[in-house]
Amino acid sequence: KQEVTQIPAALSVPEGENLVLNCSFTDSAIYNLQWFRQDPGKGLTSLLLIQSSQREQTSGRLNASLDKSSGRSTLYIAASQPGDSATYLCAVADSNYQLIWGAGTKLIIKP
Amino acid sequence: ETGVTQTPRHLVMGMTNKKSLKCEQHLGHNAMYWYKQSAKKPLELMFVYNFKEQTENNSVPSRFSPECPNSSHLFLHLHTLQPEDSALYLCASSQDGGSGDTQYFGPGTRLTVL
Repeated sequence: KQEVTQIPAALSVPEGENLVLNCSFTDSAIYNLQWFRQDPGKGLTSLLLIQSSQREQTSGRLNASLDKSSGRSTLYIAASQPGDSATYLCAVADSNYQLIWGAGTKLIIKP
Repeated sequence: ETGVTQTPRHLVMGMTNKKSLKCEQHLGHNAMYWYKQSAKKPLELMFVYNFKEQTENNSVPSRFSPECPNSSHLFLHLHTLQPEDSALYLCASSQDGGSGDTQYFGPGTRLTVL
């Protein structure tokens, strides 16, 4: 059974720092891996989607990598801003195309 | 309205009440989903509808009853709920439920069962 783990559960850093969020999964037979952010009182917003054949995806200050063989993904955020404060969720699409989710990392960027 | 909308945003109900959650997507998608998000736990997929047909039911108790009258609307009918059912219920849609493509989420309904 696929399990997705995100460490740490919470992270607080000063504004301007570069940071890395981690996601690991137990079964490498995934269709894709997706990163979302969730703001309080709001739904989830898709950030990046990496197909199983890809190694990374970039969008602005965000870069996500995927290493299927080791069951890991990282989300790199460059030059962090207070507006980046949110909970970041990682999910993998299994062979049935259903998303299996991690519990998230709550990120706080201090001004 | 754009994107995915959900009503009500907040709901408090007793264990003997019957209520319904509504979701509407304005994206022209063919697949819709119900998720349950409990505090500090991963999202749990409840139901998937693809072209109005239910394609997934993740062993959800029968006190939760979904309805999908068309590709744009999804309901979750609630009856005889338990306090542990208190959670954020999220609706999502995607172009095609069988391709693992990006899902677009509504803001959720915060449900409290007394």
